[in-house]
Amino acid sequence: GNSVTQMEGPVTLSEEAFLTINCTYTATGYPSLFWYVQYPGEGLQLLLKATKADDKGSNKGFEATYRKETTSFHLEKGSVQVSDSAVYFCALSDPGYGGSQGNLIFGKGTKLSVKP
Amino acid sequence: SAVISQKPSRDICQRGTSLTIQCQVDSQVTMMFWYRQQPGQSLTLIATANQGSEATYESGFVIDKFPISRPNLTFSTLTVSNMSPEDSSIYLCSVKGASSYEQYFGPGTRLTVT
Repeated sequence: GNSVTQMEGPVTLSEEAFLTINCTYTATGYPSLFWYVQYPGEGLQLLLKATKADDKGSNKGFEATYRKETTSFHLEKGSVQVSDSAVYFCALSDPGYGGSQGNLIFGKGTKLSVKP
Repeated sequence: SAVISQKPSRDICQRGTSLTIQCQVDSQVTMMFWYRQQPGQSLTLIATANQGSEATYESGFVIDKFPISRPNLTFSTLTVSNMSPEDSSIYLCSVKGASSYEQYFGPGTRLTVT
């Protein structure tokens, strides 16, 4: 079945450090891929997306490239800020069938803490 | 993106009781979903709320425990029935347009069962 695996946290970085959060997936067909962010005490916000191979999603300085050959969608940011402290979820959406059409399958989440 | 609200934002309930969570969207949407996020865990899909028909439940979730209504294209409710402490979680609704890939989430309802 479809699944998402992302690196275990927590990840602790100093401000202005480079960030990589690894995400790999297993899927039938050609899924869309997403990164969601959950700030403390809040719901999920869509951070970026990619809908086909070699697409690069980007937002707020974060980037991720859909790599079909390695089934990966790693999240990167060149210089993190304290305000980036949050939990990051990688997810995929398969066109799917029936009632689960468009269902999101999430990784376990990676908690990022950025220290000043 | 749609603006999604949920009520209540949080609640503390006694075991054996039931709680109904409301999800309101500011525009008509094709698909609405209900997810559960247990403490420190990822999100798990409970069901797809279908307008005008019974919800479609994922494996491990049943209608008797999590009845869902969706009377129109902007509103849905999830009831957590006969609650136990294991039901303590954040419950989130999400929406998706028919032609879009992404889902947008409400702020969540934080439920604690004592």
